[in-house]
This record gives sequence, structure tokens and C-alpha cells, in this order.
Amino acid sequence: DGGITQSPKYLFRKEGQNVTLSCEQNLNHDAMYWYRQDPGQGLRLIYYSQIVNDFQKGDIAEGYSVSREKKESFPLTVTSAQKNPTAFYLCASSIESGTYNEQFFGPGTRLTVL
Amino acid sequence: QKEVEQNSGPLSVPEGAIASLNCTYSDRGSQSFFWYRQYSGKSPELIMFIYSNGDKEDGRFTAQLNKASQYVSLLIRDSQPSDSATYLCAVRGHREYGNKLVFGAGTILRVKS
Repeated sequence: DGGITQSPKYLFRKEGQNVTLSCEQNLNHDAMYWYRQDPGQGLRLIYYSQIVNDFQKGDIAEGYSVSREKKESFPLTVTSAQKNPTAFYLCASSIESGTYNEQFFGPGTRLTVL
Repeated sequence: QKEVEQNSGPLSVPEGAIASLNCTYSDRGSQSFFWYRQYSGKSPELIMFIYSNGDKEDGRFTAQLNKASQYVSLLIRDSQPSDSATYLCAVRGHREYGNKLVFGAGTILRVKS
């Protein structure tokens, strides 16, 4: 089965703790993305990567970090510097980052700060 | 002004009716337009995309694009209760602007049986 997997489905973070969200895809897509969704709001872009070992900041990168060491994997770390991390985190991928390429989403990780 | 605007709804339609969802965007250079459906607690699912002015039909769904008016819409014919969801409009601009996909906040659709 081809697709995008995210883990864990639910994640709880204590104050001052870093946590890492996993995103894996077996679609052979070059581009991968991380979005954050808050209730009643659209998706906001955190980071994206168009190719292995390269990534760019999105609109709300502060307090987050990523790596892209393998084509299939694009983990997101939510650091203690992110002051309001409670949200629904969505990973997406596309064949490449061109104008006419659709993005497909994983099932998401719901992060809650305790 | 928000880059992509949608009426938050909820839009309520009876079963079997046509649901019309609308989206406006501010970047006149936008090239491609996407409609995603998101059920409560789930991730967005791509249902339609359109690149050229006019209509594009896929089953019960029709996407309409008017670049001059910076307006894109989604029509759902013969609406079913299973169509009840939030519909997200997403717009991609020029490559010079990073080719980002910008999402609206979504319109909640409720189909009443």
C-alpha cells in the first residue's frame, strides 16, 4: 500500500520538553511538507523540503526544526521554544514542488501540551 | 486581507440538493487551485483541482474557476449526508513566491437527510 504515515497519532508534551513527530512516505515523492492546523483555521506551513538534505522555512517555522536525510522521511521536532504547540500536525508530500502538483496528506498527529 | 478567503459557514443543504462552496484569492498570479474535504478529526483529502478558466467535472463534483474575478467554486450535486465535512480551498501562486500552497480556513457543509 502506497501512502503517508505519521506517528504517533496522539502525543502529549510537558512544558520544556522537545518532541519529534514522524512522517514517512513510500510514494517516491520528492517534496514533503509540514503544516499546523488550529481549530477553525486553515493549514499553516511550518517547513518544506523539495529534495533530500535540503529544506526551507515556511510561514511559522519558529520553535520547530526538521531534517531530510532520506527521501522517505521528514521528521518534525517541536522544541521548547514553541510557546503554543497544541495543534493538529499534518505531513504532506507531492511528486515535486511544481505549480501543478497535488499534495497528499498523512493522517496527522494531535499534539497536546500538559 | 487574507490571501484565501472562504465563508466559514455552516452551509446547510437538504439531501439531494446542490451545495455551492466559494473561495476568493488575492494573488492574481495564482496558477493552480485545489479543493480538499476534511472530516472532523481527520486529515484533508484531495477531491478536485483546476488550472484553467471554466468548469471541470468529476462525478458529482464540479470545480469552477474565474481568474479575472479571482474566484474559484466547488459545486456538489445530489448532496449526501456523507458529504458533510469541512471543505478547504487551497491556492498555489508563482514559483517566485516559493510555490507555496495557501489554504483558506474552510467552509463547514451540513447535508440534512
